[in-house]
Amino acid sequence: AQKVTQAQTEISVVEKEDVTLDCVYETRDTTYYLFWYKQPPSGELVFLIRRNSFDEQNEISGRYSWNFQKSTSSFNFTITASQVVDSAVYFCALRTYEYGNKLVFGAGTILRVKS
Amino acid sequence: ETGVTQTPRHLVMGMTNKKSLKCEQHLGHNAMYWYKQSAKKPLELMFVYNFKEQTENNSVPSRFSPECPNSSHLFLHLHTLQPEDSALYLCASSQWGMDLYGYTFGSGTRLTVV
Repeated sequence: AQKVTQAQTEISVVEKEDVTLDCVYETRDTTYYLFWYKQPPSGELVFLIRRNSFDEQNEISGRYSWNFQKSTSSFNFTITASQVVDSAVYFCALRTYEYGNKLVFGAGTILRVKS
Repeated sequence: ETGVTQTPRHLVMGMTNKKSLKCEQHLGHNAMYWYKQSAKKPLELMFVYNFKEQTENNSVPSRFSPECPNSSHLFLHLHTLQPEDSALYLCASSQWGMDLYGYTFGSGTRLTVV
């Protein structure tokens, strides 16, 4: 079965703090893809990153970084020096051939960054 | 226009009304999806259309009726809804089998059933 768990329902930080959003996934497939999306108040889900199961290299993009660890089935997302504009709901998602290539989402983490 | 466009952005309807949600994409994608986002619940996949053919219906009640006349347009026809159907309805599109960016999402229609 495919499952994505985002245990943190809501996180509040003060601007300039670093924050890590956790994501744990389950799948029996050996080939799969992991995603992070951001949902600002406007509603649309904005693609942030895609990672395939064969690439465990961590990635950094500006203030964003992702830590993919297959050993713990985790794909965590860190925002460095958070800003108010980072306030949004963040979703982790999994896509596998076993599930017909459809995206399975976690419940999302609400991030509130206060000035 | 680019991306995925959903109309209307907001909709209030009575339980006896009939309304339709519209989704349009100009990305050349061949798969389109309806998701339901309720408060404090994960995104729920409702319907999948692949090359205009419905390939998935995730046990969605018949009061929700999708229509995909072509690969660029997707509708969700609503009738005799219940208050618990109030949610954000998100449309998405993708190039079936190519997962470079996952899906491209619209901004959603915020539906309130009174």
